[in-house]
Amino acid sequence: DIVMTQTPLSSPVTLGQPASISCRSSQSLVDSGGNTYLSWLQQRPGQPPRLLIYKISNRISGVPDRFSGSGAGTDFTLKISRVEAEDVGVYYCMQATQFPRSFGQGTKLEIK
Amino acid sequence: EVQLVESGGGLVQPGGSLRLSCAASGFTFNNYWMTWVRQAPGKGLEWVASIKQDGSEKYYVDSVKGRFTISRDNAKDSLYLQMNSLRAEDTAVYYCARGGWWFEYWGQGTPVTVSS
Repeated sequence: DIVMTQTPLSSPVTLGQPASISCRSSQSLVDSGGNTYLSWLQQRPGQPPRLLIYKISNRISGVPDRFSGSGAGTDFTLKISRVEAEDVGVYYCMQATQFPRSFGQGTKLEIK
Repeated sequence: EVQLVESGGGLVQPGGSLRLSCAASGFTFNNYWMTWVRQAPGKGLEWVASIKQDGSEKYYVDSVKGRFTISRDNAKDSLYLQMNSLRAEDTAVYYCARGGWWFEYWGQGTPVTVSS
């Protein structure tokens, strides 16, 4: 099974400053067709998860462009260019290259 | 507008059963894989099971294999999770989500509590 490891687990950030979350998989997420099924989700307090980015860097319609994803193979990053108050919550990476699907532990983004 | 509405959660004793439902609307249900994801109180997300459009492929996390069954009724635009032999560690909010490789839409979740 693929294990997803996120760092940091907690990230205090000043409003207007950038934030970055790393996600590492225990094996390559590139499948036999050359696709990499790594996505990022946001969960605001008391809400269901919300998909932000899929296949490393594809932003879902309606997601602000201050969110961006990058990476390859086993190392991936979610960046927020300028944190806003509404970005508070827990962020998860998830791999869907293999079954069982697996999530990272979550990174709690909070405002300093 | 895509909507996923879960129901069927509740309090059940260890060893008991529950059947969760997810009613889908706003999209062509039989075009999509569907998935159940759960979240234990104060914990992270855990993928539970996924099912192909026609129900011909089903996948489960090891901890529920042999106890849970995912199914769908495309005529009713509905997804199900039959949960048997429930354990305390199955206590969680259960979400249905659209997709198999990324989960673009989620329901609000239905809580399941396994306790005597």
